Amino acid sequence: EAEVAQSPRYKITEKSQAVAFWCDPISGHATLYWYRQILGQGPELLVQFQDESVVDDSQLPKDRFSAERLKGVDSTLKIQPAELGDSAMYLCASSLWDGGTGSYNEQFFGPGTRLTVL
Amino acid sequence: AQSVTQLDSHVSVSEGTPVLLRCNYSSSYSPSLFWYVQHPNKGLQLLLKYTSAATLVKGINGFEAEFKKSETSFHLTKPSAHMSDAAEYFCVFGNEKLTFGTGTRLTIIP
Repeated sequence: EAEVAQSPRYKITEKSQAVAFWCDPISGHATLYWYRQILGQGPELLVQFQDESVVDDSQLPKDRFSAERLKGVDSTLKIQPAELGDSAMYLCASSLWDGGTGSYNEQFFGPGTRLTVL
Repeated sequence: AQSVTQLDSHVSVSEGTPVLLRCNYSSSYSPSLFWYVQHPNKGLQLLLKYTSAATLVKGINGFEAEFKKSETSFHLTKPSAHMSDAAEYFCVFGNEKLTFGTGTRLTIIP
C-alpha cells in the first residue's frame, strides 16, 4: 500500500539552529500539504502545494519558515532559526488534484516529524 | 467562520461497551465533515466523511457518524469498543482545506 514518507521521524535541535524536514508524497498525488501539530491540539495547515506551485501559505511564518517542492514531487520544509515555540509534530499529507473544483479528495498523512527545540 | 468543536478532550470506556465522541460544527453553508484517527507514532487516517449525501455515514472499523443539521452535530459512535480503538480522534471541517478540532483521546479500559 502506498504511503507518504517523512524523514527524519524525530529531530532535536537547539534554538537558533536550522532544521529541515523531508516529505515524499504518494506517487501521482499532485497536491501536497505541510501541517504543524502542537501537543494537545489538532493539526494546522502551514502550506499547500499544487505540483510545484504554492497554493496557500497564509499560515506559514515566512520570516523563519520556508517550503519548496522544486520538481513537483518531494518537498522540504525548513526552519531557520528554530525557536522554542516551534517544538511540535510536523505532518505532511498528499492528495489527488481535484481538477480545480475545490471538492474533497482524501488527504493521506505521513507519520510526521517530531521536533524538539532546546 | 467555519469551525468544529470537540466537546470532550478525553473519553474512557470499557472494552465491549459503546463509544460516543461528540463534535459540533459551525458553518454558514452545508459543510463537509470528517473524522480522522491518529494512533501513536502513525499518520492520521480517515475514518469516515460526510459530503451532503446520506446523513448516517459508515466508516472503517465499525465506526459511524450521524449528521444532524438541527443540532449542528456530527457525533462519532461505535457499538462495541475494542482495545485497538485507543487513539486520538479528530473531527474535521472542510473541503480542500481541512480545519481540525482539538481532538478527543479515547482510552479503552480492559
